[in-house]
Amino acid sequence: DQQVKQNSPSLSVQEGRISILNCDYTNSMFDYFLWYKKYPAEGPTFLISISSIKDKNEDGRFTVFLNKSAKHLSLHIVPSQPGDSAVYFCAASPPQGAQKLVFGQGTRLTINP
Amino acid sequence: KAGVTQTPRYLIKTRGQQVTLSCSPISGHRSVSWYQQTPGQGLQFLFEYFSETQRNKGNFPGRFSGRQFSNSRSEMNVSTLELGDSALYLCASSEWGLYTGELFFGEGSRLTVL
Repeated sequence: DQQVKQNSPSLSVQEGRISILNCDYTNSMFDYFLWYKKYPAEGPTFLISISSIKDKNEDGRFTVFLNKSAKHLSLHIVPSQPGDSAVYFCAASPPQGAQKLVFGQGTRLTINP
Repeated sequence: KAGVTQTPRYLIKTRGQQVTLSCSPISGHRSVSWYQQTPGQGLQFLFEYFSETQRNKGNFPGRFSGRQFSNSRSEMNVSTLELGDSALYLCASSEWGLYTGELFFGEGSRLTVL
């Protein structure tokens, strides 16, 4: 039972354009959401997060949007840069503790020059 | 500050063998969690240790076990290896009380079972 789903295994975007990565979840008890970025041969690194009491969080070129009624979150990257090419994982945290994150399958983003 | 260190980085085993992976967390981090990454499945939570106690456990069979030492270093063990255990095993550490879910991951141990 995949509680966090990233339905697009891959995404290709032109440099300078907006990249939009999507994530859906099924458990309404999740109250904290995160995005991680992973380069080959490296561990995932934290990118940005959002609490369920907010619907938007921005950090530089990265913005995460949360639609609780639709159980959907998205990560916007604008403008996209070649260094953004990586696998992006969304993750959700249950209220009883952030230590047991539930991750999606990941989306491989490729930024084309 | 040194990052999360995992050893070995790569290893090859055969079915039926057992394997032990090691993880040294960031200094001062008391929580260590383990994840399995396979293609198409993303990262799946194995277990989490805090102060030498297993605090959370994922849905993996009993062949997967772990422990944490007094210096917060952690090991995970997989016994009676199966082909499906081939994966990247990631360790992550975090500080107690940091309710942000921000985990610091190591580079992983890539296990191949033949």
